[in-house]
This record gives sequence, C-alpha cells and structure tokens, in this order.
Amino acid sequence: EAQVTQNPRYLITVTGKKLTVTCSQNMNHEYMSWYRQDPGLGLRQIYYSMNVEVTDKGDVPEGYKVSRKEKRNFPLILESPSPNQTSLYFCASRTQGAYEQYFGPGTRLTVT
Amino acid sequence: GDSVTQMEGPVTLSEEACLTINCTYTATGYPSLFWYVQYPGEGLQLLLKATKADDKGSNKGFEATYRKETTSFHLEKGSVQVSDSAVYFCALSDHDREYGNKLVFGAGTILRVKS
Repeated sequence: EAQVTQNPRYLITVTGKKLTVTCSQNMNHEYMSWYRQDPGLGLRQIYYSMNVEVTDKGDVPEGYKVSRKEKRNFPLILESPSPNQTSLYFCASRTQGAYEQYFGPGTRLTVT
Repeated sequence: GDSVTQMEGPVTLSEEACLTINCTYTATGYPSLFWYVQYPGEGLQLLLKATKADDKGSNKGFEATYRKETTSFHLEKGSVQVSDSAVYFCALSDHDREYGNKLVFGAGTILRVKS
C-alpha cells in the first residue's frame, strides 16, 4: 500500500530533551516536507526536501532540523524542544511534476 | 505572498442538507487548488483538485470549480452525511518555480453533520 508513515504518533516530552520524529514514504517520491498544524492557523511548512541531500527552510523553520540521506526517509529533529513547539506535525511527499502532496497520519507532540 | 482564506466554522448541518464552504485565494502565479479533508484522529487526505481556471474537481459527491475571475474555489455537496463530519482545508500550490515547493493552507473549516 502506498503510504507515508510517521513515528511516533504521540509524544510527550520535557523542555530541552532532544527528539526525532521519523517519516518514511514508499512511493519513490522525490519531494518530502514537514508541516505543523495549529488551531486557527491551518498547516505551515517547516522544512522541505527536493531530493536526497537537498533541503530548504519553509515558513517556520526555527527550532527544527532535518536531514535527507535516503530518498524514502525525512526525519524531523528538535534539538532542544520548547513548549511553543507543542503541535500536530505532518510529513508529506509528492512526486516531481505533481503538486498534490500525500500526508502521513500525524504526530502529536506535547512539550512540557 | 500567497494566501488562502476560508470561511470560519464550525458549520453544523442536518443530514441531507446542502453544503458550501467558501474559499478564496491570493497568488502571484498560476496555482493549482486543492481541498483536503481531515477526519477525527487522522491525517489529511486529498479530496479533490483543480489545476487551471474553469476546471472542476470532484470526488465522493463533493465538487469545487476553479474560478480565476473571483479567485475562488468553493467546496459544495448536495446532500451531506454524518460520515462527512471532518475538518476541510482549502490549499494552493503555485506553479511558479519559486513558490511551487509548498502547499499554502487555509485555517480549516470544521463541519458537523447531525442525524
């Protein structure tokens, strides 16, 4: 089944404790992206990657890091999480030449 | 920059009622337009899309027409069901190379359908 997977689905952590949210897609998509969803704001892009070893900032990159060492994986790293990063996070992917993106199930992160 | 504005909710309807969720956009290029749906506890699913002016996207009884003259992409359904209860997001992706790397979303509209 073609899909985007994320882990973990739920995470509660404390301020300053480094964490990684994994994202993987099995559709051989070149493009991958991370969004955060906050009430009243819709989804906002954090980082994106056009292909392996090619990443760039989205609209809200502060406090996040990403890497793209393999085509299928695009982890999101929070080196020192803060409470304002409490949010619902989505990974997405698309193939080159298309504009619709396919989303993972989401990761709900709470930072206390 | 590009932006999407959609009607605030929640929208509460009785089963079999007609639905319209308004969406307007601002874009510097020639965007593709999308409606995504998020059911409770799930991720976003692509509901329908339109890639150029006057295109009509349709899926599962939902329709939306790309209106360039009014910069709108309103979502419609003739008869809603309880199972349509979800959050609906209007989004655009600009075809301009500089902007084509992300989806720009509206704030989302909660739809509640009562039996």
